[in-house]
Amino acid sequence: SQQGEEDPQALSIQEGENATMNCSYKTSINNLQWYRQNSGRGLVHLILIRSNEREKHSGRLRVTLDTSKKSSSLLITASRAADTASYFCATDARETSGSRLTFGEGTQLTVNP
Amino acid sequence: EAQVTQNPRYLITVTGKKLTVTCSQNMNHEYMSWYRQDPGLGLRQIYYSMNVEVTDKGDVPEGYKVSRKEKRNFPLILESPSPNQTSLYFCASKPGHLYNEQFFGPGTRLTVL
Repeated sequence: SQQGEEDPQALSIQEGENATMNCSYKTSINNLQWYRQNSGRGLVHLILIRSNEREKHSGRLRVTLDTSKKSSSLLITASRAADTASYFCATDARETSGSRLTFGEGTQLTVNP
Repeated sequence: EAQVTQNPRYLITVTGKKLTVTCSQNMNHEYMSWYRQDPGLGLRQIYYSMNVEVTDKGDVPEGYKVSRKEKRNFPLILESPSPNQTSLYFCASKPGHLYNEQFFGPGTRLTVL
């Protein structure tokens, strides 16, 4: 079954609010990455968190990782209409170390002006 | 400009007519990969290549072929396309398999009638 499952599948918020997306996975990982995709376009890497890290920040993004629960969350603070996109988590499994990324199904975020 | 390019961007074809989707990167990356994206399934890896003449299957390789004769190019070949290969295809690259962030092309939307 698919490694890396996100929830919610869709999220609609108002500009200025925070958006939280969650990701669960099944196997041991080296790292977990979050990507963003604007409608029908290529994915863009946002942030990476390694298996020995618990939290990471980058601008308005905050990522947490709980390896005991095999889960991660992406928080976007003070959201903007331009944040409207699909967000995917992707895991780099320990057994395949760097050779493969497994993506989740994505969360569609809509930020209303 | 550093980028991954794909051609064509859009293609409508018929069942059984062989086609090739090209992928090229100008960043001297060793690692390249192909994904397909389908609604509700996220991105699934088709094939990847760790370097020239080194390719391996991803999660959904059936019905596809690849080659890596030179570093910059990684074409995806559908010898006999079928309607279930209708999808959005992405090529991605990264400097080496131990490097984390992948750089994605703009996507190729393929429809097989």
